[in-house]
Amino acid sequence: QLQLRESGPGLVKPSETLSLTCTVSGGSITSSGYYWGWIRQPPGKGLEWIGSIYYSGSTYYNPSLKSRVTRFVDTSNNQFSLRLSSVTAADTAVYYCARHASGSWFVDVWGQGTTVTVSS
Amino acid sequence: EIVMTQSPATLSVSPGERATLSCRASQSVSSNLAWYQQKPGQTPRLLIYGASTRATGIPARFSGSGSGTEFTLTISSLQSEDFAVYYCQQHNNALTFGPGTKVEIK
Repeated sequence: QLQLRESGPGLVKPSETLSLTCTVSGGSITSSGYYWGWIRQPPGKGLEWIGSIYYSGSTYYNPSLKSRVTRFVDTSNNQFSLRLSSVTAADTAVYYCARHASGSWFVDVWGQGTTVTVSS
Repeated sequence: EIVMTQSPATLSVSPGERATLSCRASQSVSSNLAWYQQKPGQTPRLLIYGASTRATGIPARFSGSGSGTEFTLTISSLQSEDFAVYYCQQHNNALTFGPGTKVEIK
């Protein structure tokens, strides 16, 4: 059974860069036809897609975050990562990694989520 | 960017009753619409994709309909475990979620 697990610091200072990694188990990140994405949820609010990456490196980003987001994939370790620069308190959220098909962008597998707080 | 809206924001329903949730897209997404259920402290769960196809393991009391810009999620007879927040998401052009509808016990 495919599982995703997020890891990274739970506390980031304002103006710094948030870095998260998602480890994929029970399957390969190089599986054809799947994108690997990040979605976040601020406390008490709804879901916001951040971006998605294919194992070959092809990426798509939410236009509202594109200028601050860097994503990359590490096929040797079956991981993909997110870097969000110049964070503010508005970036405080639960961050989920997720999988969706390349042809139909609905999320069929979610990580458990990791809470990131931006505070000095 | 496609903007998704949902109504109502909160729906109060008694167990055993029918619940009807609405979702609207700012432009046509064809049938590329998904629904998720999220309970407090839990990860969202895929219920419906392609507007009307139930995901694996989803009970038949959940059904989806619609196309273009207007969509509906119907829960035919609410069970206690169905009280949660429901999000729609268009999957026609990247991913955009609606703000959610909270289904609460009346």
